[in-house]
Order: sequence, then structure tokens, then C-alpha cells
Amino acid sequence: GAVVSQHPSWVICKSGTSVKIECRSLDFQATTMFWYRQFPKQSLMLMATSNEGSKATYEQGVEKDKFLINHASLTLSTLTVTSAHPEDSSFYICRAGSDEQYFGPGTRLTVT
Amino acid sequence: AQKVTQAQTEISVVEKEDVTLDCVYETRDTTYYLFWYKQPPSGELVFLIRRNSFDEQNEISGRYSWNFQKSTSSFNFTITASQVVDSAVYFCALSEAPMNRDDKIIFGKGTRLHILP
Repeated sequence: GAVVSQHPSWVICKSGTSVKIECRSLDFQATTMFWYRQFPKQSLMLMATSNEGSKATYEQGVEKDKFLINHASLTLSTLTVTSAHPEDSSFYICRAGSDEQYFGPGTRLTVT
Repeated sequence: AQKVTQAQTEISVVEKEDVTLDCVYETRDTTYYLFWYKQPPSGELVFLIRRNSFDEQNEISGRYSWNFQKSTSSFNFTITASQVVDSAVYFCALSEAPMNRDDKIIFGKGTRLHILP
């Protein structure tokens, strides 16, 4: 069964609101989690690396104040899209731990 | 810097034909991992294979096979006797660090494969 879950699987929100996406490792502990974004018909782009108990490391060009990442426990990392705009509409995928197989099922965000 | 190039944006073949998806990578490291993933319309990534830089043996898994050639920095993926269910986007990816807590997997742009009945 799935070892990494994401919640919600899809969400629609209004422009200007904030949305929180959760990534959970179900039966293992993950000191590191990775967040990716995928625009329609495009590749997965790494946004940030989330480390438990410390600040996330953001990739160049990713606004850390807009995409807040919290990795408060060894099984949960959250990505909050603050003041969302239509251009933030995307598919967000997390990866937990060092195993290449442990990607979450993704969260589809639509900002209207 | 690391880079993965999948030159084929979209491929269409008729069912039962063989199809090869190309992947060329760039890295300055001598130790790295290469991957292939399948992404069906549902969006969930399906892991297919991992190959480390020291293992150039080709691999076969059922109808899938992979050809890793360091001399040309290529890691091509062949589907034999394709089926409609193989229709998906396929990503080649690279990780420069050994698999540890800090490694990043960098993806190519993907190849959209259409298998026509």
C-alpha cells in the first residue's frame, strides 16, 4: 500500500486565501521531505527540501515567504501556499525520506 | 550542474510496436543514480527503475528494458510489444548524491507516450 500520503488530493480556493497541503510518511520516519511542483504538461520542479526541526532549503526562484514549509515531526511536512493566486494553480507532489519510491500521490491546487 | 534531457516531447505508436524513450544526462559527479518514472493520468508517480553510475549492465523487467551507456551519458528505456496501458508520461531523473537525507532527484521534461489501439 501507499507509504506516503498527501492531503487534500485536490483543493479549489479563491485568490488571496491560503492553502495548506500535508505530506505524511505512513509507516516510517522521514527526517527529510521534498516538495515538487508540476504545471500542466510540464516536468516536476523541486521547490524545497524540508528537514525535520530546522528551516527548509528553497530552490532558486522559489519564494520562501509565499510557500511556507513546516516539518514539525518525523512523519509530517506541510506546505502552505499563502495569498494564493491563479498562477499558483499546479500539482504539488511531496517525497518523503531518501527512498526514490516514496513519492506522495500529489495535490491538485486550483486557485480561482 | 546536473541536467536531464528528454528530447522526445511526445511519441505515438501503434499497439504491439516497440518504442524507445531517450534520456541524456549531465553531471560532474562520478557517483550518481538514474531513474525512470511513469506518470499515468492520475498523476501519481510510479517508480520503474534505479541504476547507479557504477553499474552499466542493461536490465530487463518483463516488457521493459533499459540501456545505460556512460560513454554517451544516456539511459534509454525501451518498451517491447507496447500496450494501451503503457500510455503515460515517462520521466527520466538523476540524483547526484548517494541516496541519503540530502539527495535531490532532478527530473527531465518527460516524454508523453501514446499507444494507439
